Amino acid sequence: DGGITQSPKYLFRKEGQNVTLSCEQNLNHDAMYWYRQDPGQGLRLIYYSQIVNDFQKGDIAEGYSVSREKKESFPLTVTSAQKNPTAFYLCASTQWTSGFNEQFFGPGTRLTVL
Amino acid sequence: GQNIDQPTEMTATEGAIVQINCTYQTSGFNGLFWYQQHAGEAPTFLSYNVLDGLEEKGRFSSFLSRSKGYSYLLLKELQMKDSASYLCAVRVPGANNLFFGTGTRLTVIP
Repeated sequence: DGGITQSPKYLFRKEGQNVTLSCEQNLNHDAMYWYRQDPGQGLRLIYYSQIVNDFQKGDIAEGYSVSREKKESFPLTVTSAQKNPTAFYLCASTQWTSGFNEQFFGPGTRLTVL
Repeated sequence: GQNIDQPTEMTATEGAIVQINCTYQTSGFNGLFWYQQHAGEAPTFLSYNVLDGLEEKGRFSSFLSRSKGYSYLLLKELQMKDSASYLCAVRVPGANNLFFGTGTRLTVIP
């Protein structure tokens, strides 16, 4: 089955620790995205990558870092510089970035910083 | 910046019809998407509009007016399982990224 996987579904970390969220897709999609969702808010773009070894900042990149060493993988690191990291994190991918090409979403990771 | 507005919450009765509106002011337009998101789950694609008019897909329809910066999602014959958040997203030229509204939480009551 093709799809996007994110693990783990729930993640707890102590304040001040870095944490890496995984995102893997076997859809052969070129573009991948990381969003953050807070209660009562829409999805906000953290980082995106349209091609391997290249990525761009989204609207709220501060305190986050990414890498895109393989087409199928786009891990997100939440660093200690992120002031309020507790949120629901969604990874998405799409074949192309224009025209009718929906973004497919992974199941999400709920990060709680204690 | 990009501005996409939706009502925060709506309630409707099982079997009825509900219309969820979305207005947008963005730096360009390259398509509008509607997604459904159940609590704690990933959004799933519902519809896409890039030209003016109505797109129908079963019980769901979506309308777009580019001149008015306006779209709506129409849900017919509501079912309890339609209780979810509905997200409006606009694709903006350039990087062609999606910008999302805050979502409309729909509650279907018996």
